[in-house]
Amino acid sequence: DTGVSQNPRHKITKRGQNVTFRCDPISEHNRLYWYRQTLGQGPEFLTYFQNEAQLEKSRLLSDRFSAERPKGSFSTLEIQRTEQGDSAMYLCASSQNPTTGRVNEQFFGPGTRLTVL
Amino acid sequence: AQSVTQPDIHITVSEGASLELRCNYSYGATPYLFWYVQSPGQGLQLLLKYFSGDTLVQGIKGFEAEFKRSQSSFNLRKPSVHWSDAAEYFCAVALYNQGGKLIFGQGTELSVKP
Repeated sequence: DTGVSQNPRHKITKRGQNVTFRCDPISEHNRLYWYRQTLGQGPEFLTYFQNEAQLEKSRLLSDRFSAERPKGSFSTLEIQRTEQGDSAMYLCASSQNPTTGRVNEQFFGPGTRLTVL
Repeated sequence: AQSVTQPDIHITVSEGASLELRCNYSYGATPYLFWYVQSPGQGLQLLLKYFSGDTLVQGIKGFEAEFKRSQSSFNLRKPSVHWSDAAEYFCAVALYNQGGKLIFGQGTELSVKP
């Protein structure tokens, strides 16, 4: 399978615990994005990487959230001291680096559904 | 501020009937527009995209969309709906000067009656 993969697919945790999600993008894609989707809403942008550099973080990404993409390959999203409001689907997407002033389509993984009890 | 509006939260159509899902965007620059489909518990699959050129774009599964700059719209259409089309549909605009990040609408849930 050469698509975007995410692990785990589901995570149930207790409030206050730390969780980490992993995303493996399509191998030749330089850009990697994280989005969060709550029930009945469209996905909301969290952050993105170009290779290993994290270039933008949304205001949604509080200090409890951290994302990394070591060596520009897979990425991890960690949430510390989880709260019930963190319950959501976390989606990862990747795309090829576009030419200046353009965009390329993003390919999404299946998501990780987080439930905080 | 950039935004995408999908006015219809839920639409029900009969199998074989035509479909149109509405999408309006607000973006000051040239829009890069997308329609994605999401089945329950799944990620998003790209249906079609508009970057430039012909304003009527064809996608997968028999879907098409028309870009109308004067109306800031990018409506999705299908001439004959199949039961398997039941899903959530999202319209999105990509911000090319912000790393291509996507701004999504709230989504339209499509139900198909037999």
